[in-house]
Amino acid sequence: DTAVSQTPKYLVTQMGNDKSIKCEQNLGHDTMYWYKQDSKKFLKIMFSYNNKELIINETVPNRFSPKSPDKAHLNLHINSLELGDSAVYFCASSHGFQGLSGNTIYFGEGSWLTVV
Amino acid sequence: KNEVEQSPQNLTAQEGEFITINCSYSVGISALHWLQQHPGGGIVSLFMLSSGKKKHGRLIATINIQEKHSSLHITASHPRDSAVYICAVRGGADGLTFGKGTHLIIQP
Repeated sequence: DTAVSQTPKYLVTQMGNDKSIKCEQNLGHDTMYWYKQDSKKFLKIMFSYNNKELIINETVPNRFSPKSPDKAHLNLHINSLELGDSAVYFCASSHGFQGLSGNTIYFGEGSWLTVV
Repeated sequence: KNEVEQSPQNLTAQEGEFITINCSYSVGISALHWLQQHPGGGIVSLFMLSSGKKKHGRLIATINIQEKHSSLHITASHPRDSAVYICAVRGGADGLTFGKGTHLIIQP
């Protein structure tokens, strides 16, 4: 069974569209994250949710909004997509914030977003 | 804000060689992660360290808190070890800061 699953894996869409990427974890973790990996392969955190509360927002444009219907899901909604949003988006989860208490962070397989 | 530097950026070695990847950071941290990104893009967390040394199979990770430095070693390297290895540190409230990764290729 996949621990952290993201859908879709690949998404090609036009500028100006609104799209969502879904993430689910079956590990019973209390914290979930979204990371963005740019064209230079550099990872940066976007959001994290702990017990349904947003605890990080790394100066991400407000066109990006995380939605957590429950502890096992953290979806990423993107409005008015721009060319610069093209990247790979990774979902992750852990016990506690950023893998504190010696616990590992588990990553999803990534979602490749291309805006044309 | 923490600066995380990895070296080397690219490394090509022959199968069986002992591999060392280094990570240095500028500000004191509470934990350091080593991640492996496969050619297909998936990311796996290899280790989380706050002190000393950890070993898992052929992989060894060490950290020196005083020197703000960590190393990831691979013994008896194999082509399946070919991947990007990423160091990430956790310091303050701004979450993980990532290095730019080391692209490792192990040739048969």
